[in-house]
Amino acid sequence: GAVVSQHPSRVICKSGTSVKIECRSLDFQATTMFWYRQFPKQSLMLMATSNEGSKATYEQGVEKDKFLINHASLTLSTLTVTSAHPEDSSFYICSARDLGERTDTQYFGPGTRLTVL
Amino acid sequence: GDSVTQMEGPVTLSEEAFLTINCTYTATGYPSLFWYVQYPGEGLQLLLKATKADDKGSNKGFEATYRKETTSFHLEKGSVQVSDSAVYFCALSSGSGGSNYKLTFGKGTLLTVNP
Repeated sequence: GAVVSQHPSRVICKSGTSVKIECRSLDFQATTMFWYRQFPKQSLMLMATSNEGSKATYEQGVEKDKFLINHASLTLSTLTVTSAHPEDSSFYICSARDLGERTDTQYFGPGTRLTVL
Repeated sequence: GDSVTQMEGPVTLSEEAFLTINCTYTATGYPSLFWYVQYPGEGLQLLLKATKADDKGSNKGFEATYRKETTSFHLEKGSVQVSDSAVYFCALSSGSGGSNYKLTFGKGTLLTVNP
């Protein structure tokens, strides 16, 4: 299957700082990428849909000014957690949509563990 | 709105036992259905999928059949291994052709296989 990478895999930061997480589709172009948040032993919560060249669409309850999303190319989307606080500590997972003539599948990155001290 | 309901875990089995994880869905239109697997500390991996009614997805000994009449997509494996221990998520996709495309996930089922 297709490969999606995330960087960094783990990050620890101080409260009040900003953290950027990168999501890359390595062997296909993705006009659409997604950002999820997963709490321990829970399912994935969709935060936003990122479309290449346009503004992201945020799910209800997700602060767009806090979670900045940029999808500057067909293979890269970034999530920046601004002014991070301990409650932002979580596992963040991105996915990229592989949409072709014969396929329509989301492939997921390995996740980024964010810890805010 | 769309929703996915899957069997609550945890599920604990002995090696070589038969596995079934139930999944039912509610959706408008004709969604595609997926099973994803998440190993500890990792992201999700696509396990199998089915895009239309009566399709059977299969991979690594796992199977699931898209049953429109019962709105189900149950995951099965005839003989589980210790390495199958993971969390399994059932999901459906909606809004396939438009900007509102997204996946809706079930809550996940933790499977533990003992030697």
